[in-house]
This record gives sequence, structure tokens and C-alpha cells, in this order.
Amino acid sequence: GESVGLHLPTLSVQEGDNSIINCAYSNSASDYFIWYKQESGKGPQFIIDIRSNMDKRQGQRVTVLLNKTVKHLSLQIAATQPGDSAVYFCAENGPSNTGKLIFGQGTTLQVKP
Amino acid sequence: GAVVSQHPSWVICKSGTSVKIECRSLDFQATTMFWYRQFPKQSLMLMATSNEGSKATYEQGVEKDKFLINHASLTLSTLTVTSAHPEDSSFYICSARGRAGRTGELFFGEGSRLTVL
Repeated sequence: GESVGLHLPTLSVQEGDNSIINCAYSNSASDYFIWYKQESGKGPQFIIDIRSNMDKRQGQRVTVLLNKTVKHLSLQIAATQPGDSAVYFCAENGPSNTGKLIFGQGTTLQVKP
Repeated sequence: GAVVSQHPSWVICKSGTSVKIECRSLDFQATTMFWYRQFPKQSLMLMATSNEGSKATYEQGVEKDKFLINHASLTLSTLTVTSAHPEDSSFYICSARGRAGRTGELFFGEGSRLTVL
């Protein structure tokens, strides 16, 4: 049968609160990072990206922060809504700008009404 | 926006049979497509990189004879799981990158769920 892996960490927030999802990336040479949202049974959906020459980028209700010193990314979602409930993955570009993405562990976001 | 379509979205097969999954870029030409596998409650793991007109490049630990990848045109890549077994049951996801796309201009399909009985 299928191998049993680790369960994804879960972040539970109240509707209307802000959410912060964290991610540690592995390769100090990575220069491009993306956050994806994945709803149950669907493929990943692009949320926001950031290049390594930036430490912050804002989108609509979302902000990505990059700390290259400690190889850490975070995704902040303002005024979290029930529709934000999903699994969130960070991804870093693979070697030589081939387009290969290395995905992080993922975090399940649960929004309580 | 760009759309990547996968077919079938789900399939159930008997152990020992082969299953083919298609990944199509609907409104752009994809020189490179990527195949990922995702087990329940886990992250996406890259299986292979598929380049149009050439052999696929497989990640370490992925059996190329078991997971056959064909990228015969700029809009279609196929993944065939040969002699499937229950441990191959998983969610298979493709992504496609356009000709002039940066690393980040990747578009994901909706995934194909394979269940092997």
C-alpha cells in the first residue's frame, strides 16, 4: 500500500484575523520563490512570488517576506476568509534555472467562521 | 490566463495494468513539462522533466522504465505508469513552462488521481 508520510502542520485561525505561514527553504543559491495554494483534489494555484533581490512583496491581501540570512519565507494573508482554507506550499527554483521547483512541506490553513 | 489540462482527472485500474495520463497546454506552447507525484498529506515530489522532442530527465529514485514519459509535441506530454501496483496509487500533477517563460511562469494542471486495486 501507500507509504505513510508526515502529516502537514496545521494553522487554525479565526475568520477576519491575519494568517502567517512559514517555510524554510533548503538551497542558499535559490533565487526565486513561489507560494502556492492547493485545495483538496486540485493542482497548485499560484499566489505570489519573490526574487532573492527583494525581501518583501505585496499582492492583494497577501504579502511574502524573504529572509535569506536564515533561508526563511513567510506568507501573510490579511483578513483571512473561509475561502482561504487550503494547503499552502512554498517552492524554490531548482538548479540552473531549469524551471524545476522544489516544494516545501506544506501547511494546512483552517479558517474558523 | 494559460491553462494546463490533465486527463483523466481520476482513474481506477487493476494491479498489473498500464495507465496513461495526458498533460496538455491549451493556449501556449510548452517546451518543458514537469511531472510531480503527491501522496496524501504530503508535498509534491518532482518525478521527471519532459522536453519536447527529447528524452525525459528523471529524478533520482524514479524508475524510468516504470514511468514512461513522452513529449511528442509542444502541447502534449504523457505519463504512462506501466504494470501499476497499489503503491503507485497517488495524485499525479503536471506543470508546463512556455517558450519564453521564466522559472516562475509555470502553469499547473488539475492533477490526475490514480488508484490501483
